[in-house]
Amino acid sequence: EIVMTQSPATLSVSPGERATLSCRASQSISTNLAWYQQKPGQAPRLLIYDASTRATGIPPRFSGSASGSDFTLTISSLQSEDFAVYYCQHYNHWPPRAFGQGTKVDVK
Amino acid sequence: EVQLVASGGGLVQPGRSLTLSCAASGFTFDDYAMHWVRQAPGKGLEWVSGISWNGENIGYADSVKGRFTISRDTPKETLYLQMNSLRAEDTALYYCAKDVGLGLVGAPFDSWGQGTLVTVSA
Repeated sequence: EIVMTQSPATLSVSPGERATLSCRASQSISTNLAWYQQKPGQAPRLLIYDASTRATGIPPRFSGSASGSDFTLTISSLQSEDFAVYYCQHYNHWPPRAFGQGTKVDVK
Repeated sequence: EVQLVASGGGLVQPGRSLTLSCAASGFTFDDYAMHWVRQAPGKGLEWVSGISWNGENIGYADSVKGRFTISRDTPKETLYLQMNSLRAEDTALYYCAKDVGLGLVGAPFDSWGQGTLVTVSA
C-alpha cells in the first residue's frame, strides 16, 4: 500500500510570501498526484492534478512539481484566501486512495 | 454546474446500520466514477470507497471492507453507501466526490459535495 507523507504539518507564512509544501510517496506513483485545498467548514477543492496541471479556475500563483517520489506545491505569493489545509493524494491505480495527512498553512 | 448533495447522516448506535445517499446533477452521471471520502472531527481526509461508471469496478478502504457497500442508481443519478456494523471510529463527515474519469484508471476528484455527518455513539 502506498503511503503519502506530507511536511510540514503546519506552515506559518506572512501574506505575500511564498509557501512551499511537500508530499512524498512511499513508492513510485509517476506523476499521478493531486493537491486539494480545504478551508474550514468547506469541502476540499481540487487545485492541481497530474502533479503540475492546475485545475479549472485555479490561479497561476499555485504550482506543482515532481522529482521522483517527491512532490511540491508552491504558492508564490500568499493571499488571505489561501490560508487553509492542503492535502496530496495519489491515484496511481484504481481505485485511488491514500491522502497525505495534510499541511495547514496559517498566518505568521 | 455540478452538484453533489449528500444526505442520510445522523446519530446511530454502535453495531447498527445507516445508508447514505448522494444526489448528483449537472453532469452525465453514468460517465464518471464516484467515491466516498470521510473526515473524522479535526482529522484529515480518508478515502472510503469508490465505484466505476458502470458499477463493475469497486474498491474499499481496509477499515470498512466487509462492513460498507457502495452502489449507484443511474436513472436516479444517486450514489449510495450502505454502512453496517458501525463503530465509534466511523464517526465522521462523509463526502461524496466525482472522479475525473470512468474508474478504469486512477484519476483525481474534481467535484465534492458538502458532506453528511455520521455520529456513532451509544
